[in-house]
Amino acid sequence: AQSVAQPEDQVNVAEGNPLTVKCTYSVSGNPYLFWYVQYPNRGLQFLLKYITGDNLVKGSYGFEAEFNKSQTSFHLKKPSALVSDSALYFCAVRASGGSYIPTFGRGTSLIVHP
Amino acid sequence: GAGVSQSPSNKVTEKGKDVELRCDPISGHTALYWYRQSLGQGLEFLIYFQGNSAPDKSGLPSDRFSAERTGGSVSTLTIQRTQQEDSAVYLCASSLAGQGAIDTQYFGPGTRLTVL
Repeated sequence: AQSVAQPEDQVNVAEGNPLTVKCTYSVSGNPYLFWYVQYPNRGLQFLLKYITGDNLVKGSYGFEAEFNKSQTSFHLKKPSALVSDSALYFCAVRASGGSYIPTFGRGTSLIVHP
Repeated sequence: GAGVSQSPSNKVTEKGKDVELRCDPISGHTALYWYRQSLGQGLEFLIYFQGNSAPDKSGLPSDRFSAERTGGSVSTLTIQRTQQEDSAVYLCASSLAGQGAIDTQYFGPGTRLTVL
């Protein structure tokens, strides 16, 4: 079985400050990890993914995520938050040799204050 | 090119009525997925299509839910005898290859279903 935990329902950060949105996962075998963002009344948009290789993955809109195998984490980060980054963020995982249907976390609402 | 489109964007229906939700995937995408998003919940997988066949229907919550895909393109999710607990946003996604591939899912804007 595969699962994802996003321990924070909401993250608040001031504009210009660094942000982190946490994600931990559980899979059998090697993970494929994804981050998506959802703006109000919109579908999910792909941000970045980890398949293999460099543990630091860079994605859209200045976001990056770090894969940590020992901590089974894939936290999303950005050095300087923008008000326009305010949205709902989803982490997803699937196992490399398992189901091709990714499992999504419950989402974390990011609020960036001016 | 055009992204994934879904219609209607909003649907209000009365308990017990049937509803049909439509998804138009990105042209050329062979894989199509339906998810349900309820308030405060993550995405709940419903069904996966590879071409016109559905190798994974494990997420359909009851036999009131069914889906089909024709011509390897448009998909319709049908909910019969709707119940209030069916109220949610229904999201459709497509990807280039699906099964076994590590490809990105592209999501539509969703259909917000409200059952009164």
